[in-house]
Order: sequence, then structure tokens, then C-alpha cells
Amino acid sequence: QVTLRESGPALVKPTQTLTLTCTFSGFSLSTSGMCVSWIRQPPGKALEWLARIDWDDDKYYSTSLKTRLTISKDTSKNQVVLTMTNMDPVDTATYYCARIGLLNGATDYWGQGTLVTVSS
Amino acid sequence: QSVLTQPPSVSGAPGQRVTISCTGSSSNIGAGYDVHWYQQLPGTAPKLLIYGNSNRPSGVPDRFSGSKSGTSASLAITGLQADDEADYYCQSYDNSLSGREVFGGGTKLTIL
Repeated sequence: QVTLRESGPALVKPTQTLTLTCTFSGFSLSTSGMCVSWIRQPPGKALEWLARIDWDDDKYYSTSLKTRLTISKDTSKNQVVLTMTNMDPVDTATYYCARIGLLNGATDYWGQGTLVTVSS
Repeated sequence: QSVLTQPPSVSGAPGQRVTISCTGSSSNIGAGYDVHWYQQLPGTAPKLLIYGNSNRPSGVPDRFSGSKSGTSASLAITGLQADDEADYYCQSYDNSLSGREVFGGGTKLTIL
């Protein structure tokens, strides 16, 4: 059974750095073809893809946010970490981590999401 | 402004059929990249509905179907039910500077 769970602060101040952790089970990120993505959704708005890390440690970032994002993995802990620098109120959103498995690159399992509010 | 364009809303009565379009360009859908569809019920995380343009994951009813042609894709839902009321998103890959994975702006399905 594949599960993913996001953890991190619910509230951050403007200019601070956000660190989110995705802890997963039911698969290994060292298995060929497995990937984990971060996706966010501002309240009442659409999904926005942020970053992805692959089983072979390849990393990909949203072009518009890549200067602020860093994604990494700890395969032994079954965790993926996303950091986003210089947080702004417009970054207020629910942040999801999700797995890309073996279904033509589709995101087949999602975490429940964690709401991050940026406010002073 | 999303790279993939979806209608903001569609509606239909129970039992009817609706379609949701997802229009892209030559750098994403038109380049041959697969389209995936997700259903997001209110207050929940998205759920994979269609992968690889037209394939249903295990457990998804055959009332849901997907297709792709040229620079566009469509999701069709037949035999509408009350619990189909949700937001629906398409997703693909884009090889331009706009990013790697891209989502549509989402479509709100209202059951009349």
C-alpha cells in the first residue's frame, strides 16, 4: 500500500525559508522509474507543479520558481525534502507530495497535502 | 495563465454525458506527450482518473474515458452521478521554458 505524508510548518513569515518533508511508504525511491513530485494549490486556485526528483537523483524544477527551490531525497529514510526560499504571501497554498510510478508518467498517488500560510 | 487551457466550468444533469476539453500547443500535447486527468473532490487531494491519454487505473469506472487528438485532449463522463461533482485537471509535459510538468487551470463540474 503506497502512502505519502507531508510535514512542515503551517505558518511561515515573509522572506523565511520553507522546508517540507514528504515521508512515504509502499515503494522505494531507489527503484527504477519511481519519482516524487511536489505540487501546490493556492486556496481556490489550480494545481501548480513545483519540482520532481527521480530514482536516479535527477532533479527538475518549475522554470518560474527554480531559483528558489531545492529538492532532495534520503532513500534510507523514505523521505523527500523540498525547500523554498524567500517565502511571500502569494506562496500561501496547500503543498502536496505525490508519486510518479509506472503509469506513463502519471502521478498515481498523492499525499493529503499540508496548508502553508505565509504571513507576518 | 495555465499552459493547458480548460473551460472553467461545465454542468450536466444526472445520467447525462459531459466532456471537458484540455487545449495545449506544439510544445506539450501537440508534441506527442501523454495527457493525464485527475479528479479533486471538495477538500481532498487529487486522484488519478485517466493516464496515458485514455487508460483507466484500477478501480476507476468505465463511465470515465479520455482521448487525445492534435494539440487537445478530452475527458468524457457518461451517466453523471451526484458524486461526480468535483474539479477536474489535465496534466502533460511541456518542453518549452514554461516548465517540465504542466497542469490545466481546472474545470468545475456541477451536477444540476
